[in-house]
Amino acid sequence: QVQLVESGGGVVQPGRSLRLSCAASGFIFGTYGMHWVRQAPGKGLEWVATISYDGSNKYYADSVKGRFTISRDNSRNTLYLQMNSLRVEDTAVYHCARDLDSGVTGPFDLWGQGTMVTVSS
Amino acid sequence: QSVLTQPPSASGTPGQRVTISCSGSSSNIGYNTVNWYQQIPGTAPKLLMYSNNQRPSGVPDRFSGSKSGTSASLAINELQSDDEADYYCAAWDDSLNGSVFGGGTKLTVL
Repeated sequence: QVQLVESGGGVVQPGRSLRLSCAASGFIFGTYGMHWVRQAPGKGLEWVATISYDGSNKYYADSVKGRFTISRDNSRNTLYLQMNSLRVEDTAVYHCARDLDSGVTGPFDLWGQGTMVTVSS
Repeated sequence: QSVLTQPPSASGTPGQRVTISCSGSSSNIGYNTVNWYQQIPGTAPKLLMYSNNQRPSGVPDRFSGSKSGTSASLAINELQSDDEADYYCAAWDDSLNGSVFGGGTKLTVL
């Protein structure tokens, strides 16, 4: 069925790195823009990063710019988020989400259940 | 501090009409369309409204959206107990070159 499944979360020390994956199935992954959105415990939604359908354009929130890298492998139907120099404030559930079409401006019409990232010493 | 401003809470009794506001600026709501998401705690967000007033398939017509200038609103008619959830507005921001969300509104059905 049409779904997104995230993986790669866990507990990591400040300053370390982690790579999240998002496996897509049930649709033609390579024709959709994709996004990462996070939600800190008890807080609201925060957009993190966006990548165009072909990977040629990438956009980042100021809070993660220079530390996080979004990428995709359309041959593997997988979206990635490489997170470096992690901070305590990066602790959150990270959701991947699909754009409604090949654009990058939203809306996000399909969401994964999320993977928890905890940054703690 | 979220770029889009929503009231933190709203409430109503079954059968009532409730509206949730979302205020932004010319760089986001003023020039781009608004989307709304519903999130039941512990679950993934769900797209509820897009392009200001378009309902995805499966969303009841009790839900409606509107936009005027740099503000938008979501209306829920005939409130039901399972409408109890967090609601978020969102839009693309041309100045930030990214998406922005409101802080969310927790809807309680009394």
